[in-house]
Formats: sequence, structure tokens, C-alpha cells
Amino acid sequence: GDSVTQMEGPVTLSEEAFLTINCTYTATGYPSLFWYVQYPGEGLQLLLKATKADDKGSNKGFEATYRKETTSFHLEKGSVQVSDSAVYFCALGGGYQKVTFGTGTKLQVIP
Amino acid sequence: DAMVIQNPRYQVTQFGKPVTLSCSQTLNHNVMYWYQQKSSQAPKLLFHYYDKDFNNEADTPDNFQSRRPNTSFCFLDIRSPGLGDAAMYLCATSRQGRETEAFFGQGTRLTVV
Repeated sequence: GDSVTQMEGPVTLSEEAFLTINCTYTATGYPSLFWYVQYPGEGLQLLLKATKADDKGSNKGFEATYRKETTSFHLEKGSVQVSDSAVYFCALGGGYQKVTFGTGTKLQVIP
Repeated sequence: DAMVIQNPRYQVTQFGKPVTLSCSQTLNHNVMYWYQQKSSQAPKLLFHYYDKDFNNEADTPDNFQSRRPNTSFCFLDIRSPGLGDAAMYLCATSRQGRETEAFFGQGTRLTVV
């Protein structure tokens, strides 16, 4: 079955540091890939998505590229802020397909 | 504007006492999902609807039921909540189509006492 593996957290970074959160997937066919963010006590919000190989999703300074050859969708941001502290979920699926989530990576950014 | 609305945000129920969580959407999406999320874990799909077609995950306990009376509303019924059912319950919607993302509500935090 489909699965998503993402790096374990928590990740603690200083403000303005570079962020990478690794995500790899296993899927049949050609799924869409997503990064969701969850702030404490809230539901999940879509951060960015990519729907086909080599697509780059971007939003709020975050980027991720759909790499079919390495089955990866790593999340990056050049300069994190304290307000980026949250849990980040990599996911695949979409539409009628159920969304399969990774285990989540907690990011803490300290001033 | 709120698009996927869950009520209540916080629900306290007694052990064994039936409880219903509600979800409504203004997006007119034909797919609706219920997820259970326990602390520091990924959301776990309980079931989903494609229009009125109900799809139960194989490992969803019989204690959990769902109703979708129309496109806009969906309910999660827990017939006899146990302490292990305390969790955040997330409702989500999406359009049909592989490129479409899921839109989540803010969740209902269920406490069982």
C-alpha cells in the first residue's frame, strides 16, 4: 500500500536558519504530493502541493520538488521564523484517493 | 470565511455515553473524510464518503459510525466511548480528482472521563 516516511523530529533551529525536512514515499501510480502544517490545537492547513514529477510547490517561502526518480518531496525554507514553529506533515493522495500522511515533524524555531 | 466547520471545538463525554461530532462544509465538495489524531501522531483515516457512498477503513472499530444526510453535513457517532477514544477528530473535504487537496476543519478535541 501507499506510505510516506518523513524525518523524525523534533527539529530545533535558530531564527533565520535553513530548514530541510525529508520526505520519501511509496505509491502505485502517480500520486499528488502535499505538505500540510498544523499549529497547536488546530486542524491541518495545506502548505504546498505538487501534482506531477518535477513540479515545484511553493508558499510562504517554503518549497518542495516532486522527485519521481528518488520518490522524494523534501520541504525546504531558506530562513525560518519563530512563527514557523508547528508540526509539518508530508502526504500523498488527493481527490477520491484517501490522503496518506507521514508521521509528522515538529519544528521549533528559537529567537 | 470558514469553509469546513466542526462543532464543538471541545467535547467532554462520559465513558460509555454515546457522543456525536458534527462537520459542515460550504465548499460543495463531494468527498468528506473523518480522521482521528492522537497526540503527536499522524491523522488516521476512519472513513470517507464519495457523495453518499460510504467507505470504511478495515481497522476502524465498530464503535465508530458515520452519517452523511446531505452534501454539506457529516456526523461521527461514537456509540460507547472508551478512554482510548480520547483524541482530536478531524473532518476534511475534497473535490474528486487526483490533484485536489483536502481542506480540514479545526477539529474537535474529545475528552472521555
